[in-house]
Amino acid sequence: QKEVEQDPGPLSVPEGAIVSLNCTYSNSAFQYFMWYRQYSRKGPELLMYTYSSGNKEDGRFTAQVDKSSKYISLFIRDSQPSDSATYLCAMSSGNQFYFGTGTSLTVIP
Amino acid sequence: GAVVSQHPSRVICKSGTSVKIECRSLDFQATTMFWYRQFPKQSLMLMATSNEGSKATYEQGVEKDKFLINHASLTLSTLTVTSAHPEDSSFYICSARLAGQPYEQYFGPGTRLTVT
Repeated sequence: QKEVEQDPGPLSVPEGAIVSLNCTYSNSAFQYFMWYRQYSRKGPELLMYTYSSGNKEDGRFTAQVDKSSKYISLFIRDSQPSDSATYLCAMSSGNQFYFGTGTSLTVIP
Repeated sequence: GAVVSQHPSRVICKSGTSVKIECRSLDFQATTMFWYRQFPKQSLMLMATSNEGSKATYEQGVEKDKFLINHASLTLSTLTVTSAHPEDSSFYICSARLAGQPYEQYFGPGTRLTVT
């Protein structure tokens, strides 16, 4: 079983839609959860990070962590064409980082 | 803040030659830097972890004699691909971790290596 599972998509939504991106994991020791956005042929950009369970909101982005279900989500409200990218979840239990495979998102104008 | 640069952004080299990629943390000191490899439409594959002043720790299956990593200062790490072959063609990305913040990584823009 992989440490982190993420549906690769691709996911295609119309502009203005709410997007839900998700990852599941198997290691209950993970404490720190991150979402990265990667545009084509660019390095990943840290979007949001959360520690332990709960929600965190930043503008149109909301990150949720449910440690009891080992499930994390990233919600994008009022999606824009500029949100079209690959979104990678990542998690850590200390020195070890684990990344999901990334979900490719296209927002259609 | 937390900007990481990589140089070059793109390089084409002939089979058998060596290529050096630089990774710099521009506005912070990075005690730890990571080197990743990414194939098209695939996730990041960690190659090695580099700590300033010490030998890099390589992931299983990564040849340390082929991918030489040097982390000589708190702001610079280099990856040298020695005797490159076409199968080494890939997108190489570095990241850096801030001293005192163990959970965040900041990524460079990546280097696309093409070996002909």
